[in-house]
Amino acid sequence: GQQVQQSPASLVLQEGENAELQCNFSTSLNSMQWFYQRPGGSLVSLFYNPSGTKQSGRLTSTTVIKERRSSLHISSSQTTDSGTYLCAMATNSAGNKLTFGIGTRVLVRP
Amino acid sequence: NAGVIQTPRHKVTGKGQEATLWCEPISGHSAVFWYRQTIVQGLEFLTYFRNQAPIDDSGMPKERFSAQMPNQSHSTLKIQSTQPQDSAVYLCASSLDPDYEQYFGPGTRLTVL
Repeated sequence: GQQVQQSPASLVLQEGENAELQCNFSTSLNSMQWFYQRPGGSLVSLFYNPSGTKQSGRLTSTTVIKERRSSLHISSSQTTDSGTYLCAMATNSAGNKLTFGIGTRVLVRP
Repeated sequence: NAGVIQTPRHKVTGKGQEATLWCEPISGHSAVFWYRQTIVQGLEFLTYFRNQAPIDDSGMPKERFSAQMPNQSHSTLKIQSTQPQDSAVYLCASSLDPDYEQYFGPGTRLTVL
């Protein structure tokens, strides 16, 4: 079954609104990353966050290992935040390869 | 630091032809990963190397696909007798250590006609 469940699948925001993206894992994880991708663009690593909370500008990532979940919070969204956000995990049992969620497509309207 | 370099950025092949994709990892990184991205399947792991040795190829199709890492500065993914279903963006990533953060290249968009 699917090991990484991402929600919501898509999200429309008005500029300035906040958003919370979720990732849930069906197995225990060894590491996890959040990525950003524009259509036709490269995967840009936002956070490497196996546990705890990390912040970069208006983005905050929180991973709670015991609850098998990670979240990405976008505060004061801007039109340039539009794109797809993907979470990916690596598990002890599966080695170091990343298993990706399907992504959350975010559109921020001006 | 140029990041992970992938060439070519775009490749168009006819059905049955061979395609070779190149990846140059970030200097000093010991692990190199290959992934494939399609609209239908999303991002899928193919194979990875550590210190040039193949470690896990569990995601590689059993036929026609092969990967090598002849030296620490480049890896190749070869697809023989390409089929339309091989059309995808092939992504290479490297990390300082397999347990650490992975950095992705821009990808090679393969189109098989």
